[in-house]
Amino acid sequence: LAKTTQPISMDSYEGQEVNITCSHNNIATNDYITWYQQFPSQGPRFIIQGYKTKVTNEVASLFIPADRKSSTLSLPRVSLSDTAVYYCLVGPNDYKLSFGAGTTVTVRA
Amino acid sequence: ETGVTQTPRHLVMGMTNKKSLKCEQHLGHNAMYWYKQSAKKPLELMFVYSLEERVENNSVPSRFSPECPNSSHLFLHLHTLQPEDSALYLCASSQVSYRDHNEQFFGPGTRLTVL
Repeated sequence: LAKTTQPISMDSYEGQEVNITCSHNNIATNDYITWYQQFPSQGPRFIIQGYKTKVTNEVASLFIPADRKSSTLSLPRVSLSDTAVYYCLVGPNDYKLSFGAGTTVTVRA
Repeated sequence: ETGVTQTPRHLVMGMTNKKSLKCEQHLGHNAMYWYKQSAKKPLELMFVYSLEERVENNSVPSRFSPECPNSSHLFLHLHTLQPEDSALYLCASSQVSYRDHNEQFFGPGTRLTVL
């Protein structure tokens, strides 16, 4: 099971771009990289998933270098409502899967 | 709304009580999950039901007992819990087997307090 490492917390201001990097040095060939967002007392919500290069949707972009040992979630022009915990997961899902501690992103006015 | 509902949303119980948490998904998915999230701790996967297969995290105590009567419903039966079991219990579902890299849809959770 690929272990992930991401920063514990990040601070930003409204309108800025936030980039969260996740390290996953032992990612396997069939593993995908998935990011979730969680607000307090709610379940996590899927943001984006990718395998290699770049993936973009209406919410975020995901950048994955060729070696796939890390990935960066990019949140463009954040607002106060983007304050949340962001989790990086690598897999297929496995019964041992853990979301990890995540990165707490705080957006200030 | 994610299409996954959980009841009750809040539950307070004593250590000698028996209660059950209920989860229902309206998405036509084939896999369902129970997670536990304690205060300031990561989500912990407890159980997975997928295409009639059950997988459990071996670290989950036997006082938690899951039941999945069909692909749309999932229960977590609780008995003789301890105060440290107080947490947010989250249910999730995904379209295909948990072994595939597919998106999980989470319910709002049940906030459990054990006195």
